[in-house]
Amino acid sequence: EADIYQTPRYLVIGTGKKITLECSQTMGHDKMYWYQQDPGMELHLIHYSYGVNSTEKGDLSSESTVSRIRTEHFPLTLESARPSHTSQYLCASSERGGEETQYFGPGTRLLVL
Amino acid sequence: KNQVEQSPQSLIILEGKNCTLQCNYTVSPFSNLRWYKQDTGRGPVSLTIMTFSENTKSNGRYTATLDADTKQSSLHITASQLSDSASYICVVSAGNAGNMLTFGGGTRLMVKP
Repeated sequence: EADIYQTPRYLVIGTGKKITLECSQTMGHDKMYWYQQDPGMELHLIHYSYGVNSTEKGDLSSESTVSRIRTEHFPLTLESARPSHTSQYLCASSERGGEETQYFGPGTRLLVL
Repeated sequence: KNQVEQSPQSLIILEGKNCTLQCNYTVSPFSNLRWYKQDTGRGPVSLTIMTFSENTKSNGRYTATLDADTKQSSLHITASQLSDSASYICVVSAGNAGNMLTFGGGTRLMVKP
């Protein structure tokens, strides 16, 4: 079982609110990722990081931002939530080099009203 | 553009039966191919990973095959169990900087008693 955690698991929030989705891993992995997944649809990479102070945008454009101040922590922030942000957000991490299998957290289901 | 196509989109089988899921990809250059299992509301969990030189790999009742020439992979599930009900996602890694992943849309499998 992977040691990667996401909080909250579920979040219902009103339009215009600022939210931060937390992701932490205890495996010492350098690489971390954020994916967005709508119900029954494929995962889309929105952010990734190669290590501390490294952040890059993924394939899918997102209004969210991320930070990587510590190796184990990769929070995602939405400054002003909108209904179009309603989705599931999955965090993952992997070692640098080798097979680089990504280990996923349980996800955060976000509903913006 | 890198793409991963999976078929069928959904599948219903009876408990104890076998099934085979298909994955076709157009990712270049190819690095490796993974099959993930994603339970509803959870993050994906890696089942198998195969590199260019590997034709088959097993993980319990799951057997994955890879034909790098035709760019096809399959996941065979033997003696299905109710707990096999999930989405199965084919993920291909490009052998370039960053080893970015291309996700298939998944096959939603339901095993009925």
